[in-house]
Amino acid sequence: GAGVSQSPSNKVTEKGKDVELRCDPISGHTALYWYRQSLGQGLEFLIYFQGNSAPDKSGLPSDRFSAERTGGSVSTLTIQRTQQEDSAVYLCASSFGAGTSSTDTQYFGPGTRLTVL
Amino acid sequence: AQSVTQLGSHVSVSEGALVLLRCNYSSSVPPYLFWYVQYPNQGLQLLLKYTTGATLVKGINGFEAEFKKSETSFHLTKPSAHMSDAAEYFCAVSAIRTGANNLFFGTGTRLTVIP
Repeated sequence: GAGVSQSPSNKVTEKGKDVELRCDPISGHTALYWYRQSLGQGLEFLIYFQGNSAPDKSGLPSDRFSAERTGGSVSTLTIQRTQQEDSAVYLCASSFGAGTSSTDTQYFGPGTRLTVL
Repeated sequence: AQSVTQLGSHVSVSEGALVLLRCNYSSSVPPYLFWYVQYPNQGLQLLLKYTTGATLVKGINGFEAEFKKSETSFHLTKPSAHMSDAAEYFCAVSAIRTGANNLFFGTGTRLTVIP
């Protein structure tokens, strides 16, 4: 079956603009994660959704960042008033559950490369 | 708090030589540990993971890792490197036992295989 897909694959924007990044998880996966991969910072957790529960937003770096997940499937990460330090690859992952059994492995999408000029 | 440290941002080995990528972790609770690989322009792929039980974990593509609590390590090894192993490798620890579900990643090790 299809893996995790993300769009766009590349996004170039000007400082101060808002951007939306999209993630389509694997069908049937209840858990969805956003991570950010940037030079010098490695991979950082941003936000986590599990079913209909309130999301874990503990990794969001500022209130300019928000995410939603509609209908328990597709997720959109929104960055408002982008800054140059927001430039990074934004990775989405999904898992069937949210534990540590073999079905709970996080499967990653190819990422969206965001460049803020 | 959970964190991992990967020693060596770049590792070069000759084709056929042993691959050893180092990872040390810090965790306030018994850790769940993972190795992921990232090929150019691709997403992360799980190589192997340790949760409980046997401390020597075998993964895909001939890789394995051993959980050593006394050394707080989870080094990744492969007896004989192949050209196709050239990629970036990430060690990660899960916060699952603290009630969270996210992964904490190391900064990655880029493996180069010399023909």
